[in-house]
Amino acid sequence: QKEVEQDPGPLSVPEGAIVSLNCTYSNSAFQYFMWYRQYSRKGPELLMYTYSSGNKEDGRFTAQVDKSSKYISLFIRDSQPSDSATYLCAMRDTGGFKTIFGAGTRLFVKA
Amino acid sequence: DTGVSQNPRHKITKRGQNVTFRCDPISEHNRLYWYRQTLGQGPEFLTYFQNEAQLEKSRLLSDRFSAERPKGSFSTLEIQRTEQGDSAMYLCASSLGRDGGFTEAFFGQGTRLTVV
Repeated sequence: QKEVEQDPGPLSVPEGAIVSLNCTYSNSAFQYFMWYRQYSRKGPELLMYTYSSGNKEDGRFTAQVDKSSKYISLFIRDSQPSDSATYLCAMRDTGGFKTIFGAGTRLFVKA
Repeated sequence: DTGVSQNPRHKITKRGQNVTFRCDPISEHNRLYWYRQTLGQGPEFLTYFQNEAQLEKSRLLSDRFSAERPKGSFSTLEIQRTEQGDSAMYLCASSLGRDGGFTEAFFGQGTRLTVV
């Protein structure tokens, strides 16, 4: 079993829809939870991160972490065609430097 | 500063040949990471440098793989006797590390290796 599980999709939604992306994990030592966006043929770029449990909002993006369920989510409001990309969840513990990534979910937002 | 730079962007090599990739991190970033990403998967950690010291290596980094970061600046990743299973995107990332807290790792655009 992988440490981080993420549904690869693809997920196709109409423009303006609310998108929900999720990951589950097994390592209770994880404390930093990150979401990266990766466009085709590009490296990942950090969207946002959360430390421990709770919610964090940044514009149209909201990240949620539920450590009791080992479940994290990213919500995208008012989705735009430019949001079409692969979204990777990632996590690590506080002392280490090794970040564990999910497989990524491919998102298509149709105009 | 234009971000993390990786060269070459693409490399096609015959099985059994050696290849070397270069990563130039963002200036003053003391931490450097190498990841490997195959199609439909997320990046997998390979190795980590703090300055010139290689502090952590994944089990994925077999004896055929070696990474260096002389003088704590650019880094090279060499694969000897390449195999078809080595075909992947090799990503480099760098960050400005400090004790405690979160620091963002910035990724390069990767080197896509195809072994034929």
